[in-house]
Amino acid sequence: EAQVTQNPRYLITVTGKKLTVTCSQNMNHEYMSWYRQDPGLGLRQIYYSMNVEVTDKGDVPEGYKVSRKEKRNFPLILESPSPNQTSLYFCASSPLRGPSEKLFFGSGTQLSVL
Amino acid sequence: DQQVKQNSPSLSVQEGRISILNCDYTNSMFDYFLWYKKYPAEGPTFLISISSIKDKNEDGRFTVFLNKSAKHLSLHIVPSQPGDSAVYFCAASYDTGGFKTIFGAGTRLFVKA
Repeated sequence: EAQVTQNPRYLITVTGKKLTVTCSQNMNHEYMSWYRQDPGLGLRQIYYSMNVEVTDKGDVPEGYKVSRKEKRNFPLILESPSPNQTSLYFCASSPLRGPSEKLFFGSGTQLSVL
Repeated sequence: DQQVKQNSPSLSVQEGRISILNCDYTNSMFDYFLWYKKYPAEGPTFLISISSIKDKNEDGRFTVFLNKSAKHLSLHIVPSQPGDSAVYFCAASYDTGGFKTIFGAGTRLFVKA
């Protein structure tokens, strides 16, 4: 089954404790991206990648890191989480063919930073 | 500054009637507009899209209308069903060499049986 898999689904942590949210897709998509969803703000892009070893900042990249060492994986790293990073996070992927391409989303990771 | 705006946080509709979800945008560079549907505890899923060179696209019960001069699009669901109850995100996309997609804040639709 074609899918984007994120782990974990739920995560509670404390301020400053490094964490990684994993994302993997099995559709051989070139494009992968991370979004955060906050009430009243919709989905905002954190980072994206158009291919292996190519990553770029989205609209809200502060406090986050990503890497794209393999085509299928795109982990999101919070080196020193803070309470304002409490949010619902989504990973997405797409074939890189242009603006008409739809995004395929994972099921989300609900992160709480205490 | 939000480039894609969904001004109605929620909408309640009776089963069988029409649901109309609205979206406004500010950037004339957008090439495509997409609607995504999101159920609780799931990721958004693609619903329907429209190119900026068209004014209407239809897929079953779902129709999207685009008014470029007003920078406005709307999603019509006819007839509405209880299973349509979800959050609907309007998104706009443009070519950057790859592409950039910007989402609205979402509208929660309640369809009452």
